[in-house]
Amino acid sequence: NAGVTQTPKFRILKIGQSMTLQCTQDMNHNYMYWYRQDPGMGLKLIYYSVGAGITDKGEVPNGYNVSRSTTEDFPLRLELAAPSQTSVYFCASSPGLADYEQYFGPGTRLTVT
Amino acid sequence: GENVEQHPSTLSVQEGDSAVIKCTYSDSASNYFPWYKQELGKRPQLIIDIRSNVGEKKDQRIAVTLNKTAKHFSLHITETQPEDSAVYFCAARTNFGNEKLTFGTGTRLTIIP
Repeated sequence: NAGVTQTPKFRILKIGQSMTLQCTQDMNHNYMYWYRQDPGMGLKLIYYSVGAGITDKGEVPNGYNVSRSTTEDFPLRLELAAPSQTSVYFCASSPGLADYEQYFGPGTRLTVT
Repeated sequence: GENVEQHPSTLSVQEGDSAVIKCTYSDSASNYFPWYKQELGKRPQLIIDIRSNVGEKKDQRIAVTLNKTAKHFSLHITETQPEDSAVYFCAARTNFGNEKLTFGTGTRLTIIP
């Protein structure tokens, strides 16, 4: 199993540009999450999904959108990028149903200038 | 919603000594408390977790204790080694089926050789 994979690893965006961060897991997990981690800070939940077709907002959803058309994929869309979105983005997945461990992807380092 | 506070934010200990990191949570319904380790530039990885029906759990040099009455839990690392240097995050999950974790702000642990 590859686990949770994310692309790209690094990206530099100009203000106002848009992009999609890709996340895929091959563990057949129901639950998937997107976090952002600002320098020296903890993990803030952006969006999460409890299954294909179901998504919900986390703590910091403004400026982002998600979709979950399959169990495996959970892309994060940034529209009109702003410098405040400069961060490291982690995708995670979890089996759910009393198995709560979250497995993280390697992260995407995004800089908006 | 749940609020998790973590202390200290930085901790330096001599190699071979013990390290203790403490977290408090606000929601008495929380029932799952994991600890994640994040090495520099890497993804967070689960090192130990505890559920609310258990007071203590140990795995080799790492232990976690939970005091439900006081709503706090702690990570204990004994006989610290240089490879223990990392950022450690605590988290809490509330018992309402939404499978979300709320993370603390992290503790940067440095082991001094």
